[in-house]
Amino acid sequence: DQQVKQNSPSLSVQEGRISILNCDYTNSMFDYFLWYKKYPAEGPTFLISISSIKDKNEDGRFTVFLNKSAKHLSLHIVPSQPGDSAVYFCAATGNQFYFGTGTSLTVIP
Amino acid sequence: GAVVSQHPSWVICKSGTSVKIECRSLDFQATTMFWYRQFPKQSLMLMATSNEGSKATYEQGVEKDKFLINHASLTLSTLTVTSAHPEDSSFYICSASRQGPYSGQPQHFGDGTRLSIL
Repeated sequence: DQQVKQNSPSLSVQEGRISILNCDYTNSMFDYFLWYKKYPAEGPTFLISISSIKDKNEDGRFTVFLNKSAKHLSLHIVPSQPGDSAVYFCAATGNQFYFGTGTSLTVIP
Repeated sequence: GAVVSQHPSWVICKSGTSVKIECRSLDFQATTMFWYRQFPKQSLMLMATSNEGSKATYEQGVEKDKFLINHASLTLSTLTVTSAHPEDSSFYICSASRQGPYSGQPQHFGDGTRLSIL
């Protein structure tokens, strides 16, 4: 039962443009949502999180938006840089912890 | 910072061998540690959650006797794959959190261990 879904397995974006990574979830009881970045053969690195009581959280080039009515969150990266190329996982936690399936982002120089 | 060290990074061994993987939080005390498994092109699958000094909580479908988890201190957790077989070959990743598992605090991940069973 995939409670956190990332429907786009891959995304390509030109350097300098905006990258938008999407995530959908099914459980309205999740309290926090997190985004992680993962390079091959490394563990994920925490990027940014958002509480369910907020609808936006910003940290530098990264902004996470939460739409609770749609059970949808997104990560915006602007401007995108080649070093942002990685797999991005969204995660949600409440009384369980779930990772999404990941989206592979490629930023083209 | 929040650094988590996982060792070894890669291990190859014969079928029937038991393999121990260590996960250490180097600069913080980890109330909770997590063990994940990742199959190729799939997401991280949570195997178990452990709190220091208590028994690990295993996810459904994960064999407790197969995957032994010890969390003896606030900075060290170990995963032992007992009598490993080729189907146990995978990428195993640990993570650590300063607070409880569902507090919203980020988990800090090790770099993973690639286990190959011949």
